[in-house]
Amino acid sequence: GAVVSQHPSWVICKSGTSVKIECRSLDFQATTMFWYRQFPKQSLMLMATSNEGSKATYEQGVEKDKFLINHASLTLSTLTVTSAHPEDSSFYICSARWEQGMGYGYTFGSGTRLTVV
Amino acid sequence: GNSVTQMEGPVTLSEEAFLTINCTYTATGYPSLFWYVQYPGEGLQLLLKATKADDKGSNKGFEATYRKETTSFHLEKGSVQVSDSAVYFCALSNNQGGKLIFGQGTELSVKP
Repeated sequence: GAVVSQHPSWVICKSGTSVKIECRSLDFQATTMFWYRQFPKQSLMLMATSNEGSKATYEQGVEKDKFLINHASLTLSTLTVTSAHPEDSSFYICSARWEQGMGYGYTFGSGTRLTVV
Repeated sequence: GNSVTQMEGPVTLSEEAFLTINCTYTATGYPSLFWYVQYPGEGLQLLLKATKADDKGSNKGFEATYRKETTSFHLEKGSVQVSDSAVYFCALSNNQGGKLIFGQGTELSVKP
């Protein structure tokens, strides 16, 4: 249980275009989802926390107009990289928090490799 | 604030060697502690977790014990395999619906 599906797994886009990444919780309802960015050989950098039905909370230094996050349902959150540029090339990972009784945990998507050319 | 510190990598071991990856944390209250593993080009997979002091998490031969007195959650495995080569992340959560806080990750390379 607690499976998260992230699509696409990789995408190449032209500079100036927008790219949407989807994160779906397949067998549970995720009231909270998280979006991370990971540079090579580095840890995960939290970009934003997404709560269903409300605006995302962005970490300091993350441009909210650049990285649009929508969490319209309890099973889907999307990250749209608008007007992408080569410096936006990175590995993006989503995560969803699950809760069951007194227990809880975090499940991660398989990541999306974005290359902007 | 809350933080996690891991030993720096890369760690290179021969197959069947003993593994220890150190993890210490700073947190208010009583956080839950996690170890995640990331294989190349993939997302993170939960390896094990512990939710209170003296709990031992274990999975696939890996173990870690929640030590409140030393604020540590060191990862151990008695005999590593080549397939264990990956990056390992220690993380904590404050149990209040909040985010995971990650250490910097430790790359493990196991040679045959």
